[in-house]
Amino acid sequence: DQQVKQNSPSLSVQEGRISILNCDYTNSMFDYFLWYKKYPAEGPTFLISISSIKDKNEDGRFTVFLNKSAKHLSLHIVPSQPGDSAVYFCAASRETSGSRLTFGEGTQLTVNP
Amino acid sequence: DVKVTQSSRYLVKRTGEKVFLECVQDMDHENMFWYRQDPGLGLRLIYFSYDVKMKEKGDIPEGYSVSREKKERFSLILESASTNQTSMYLCASRIHETQYFGPGTRLLVL
Repeated sequence: DQQVKQNSPSLSVQEGRISILNCDYTNSMFDYFLWYKKYPAEGPTFLISISSIKDKNEDGRFTVFLNKSAKHLSLHIVPSQPGDSAVYFCAASRETSGSRLTFGEGTQLTVNP
Repeated sequence: DVKVTQSSRYLVKRTGEKVFLECVQDMDHENMFWYRQDPGLGLRLIYFSYDVKMKEKGDIPEGYSVSREKKERFSLILESASTNQTSMYLCASRIHETQYFGPGTRLLVL
């Protein structure tokens, strides 16, 4: 039972344009959502998070949007840079789970110069 | 800065060997986690620990055990390694709602 899904295994965008990565979840008890970025042969790096009481959180070039009614979140990167090329994972948790994270399958983003 | 270290970056073992993967964090975090990452499957939780000597099974604990004798150290043990345990193993520790990961250990079981 895949509770967090990233339906696009890969995404390719031009440098300077917007990258939009999508994530859907099925468990309505999730109340905290995170995005991680991972380069090959390295551990995931925390990027940005959002609580279910908000619908948007912004940090520099990264913005996460949460649509609770649709059980959907997205990560916007603008402008995209070649160094953003990596695998992006979304993750979700619920307060009563002791912050166990449930991860999506990941999306490989490639930003072309 | 949160620092999570893992004892090995790359490891090659033979089927049936006992394998120890070590993880150390220097931030006095109570919660620590072990995941494996496989292509197309994301990160899957193997075991986690809320405190010293405490452990909880994650989603895929079969074939693994863990040890947490000191707060800063969380060990993952493969009692008898098998080829289907070839994977990238990631350790994390938690502060507030965010988990911070180590660099990972890529394990190859022959």
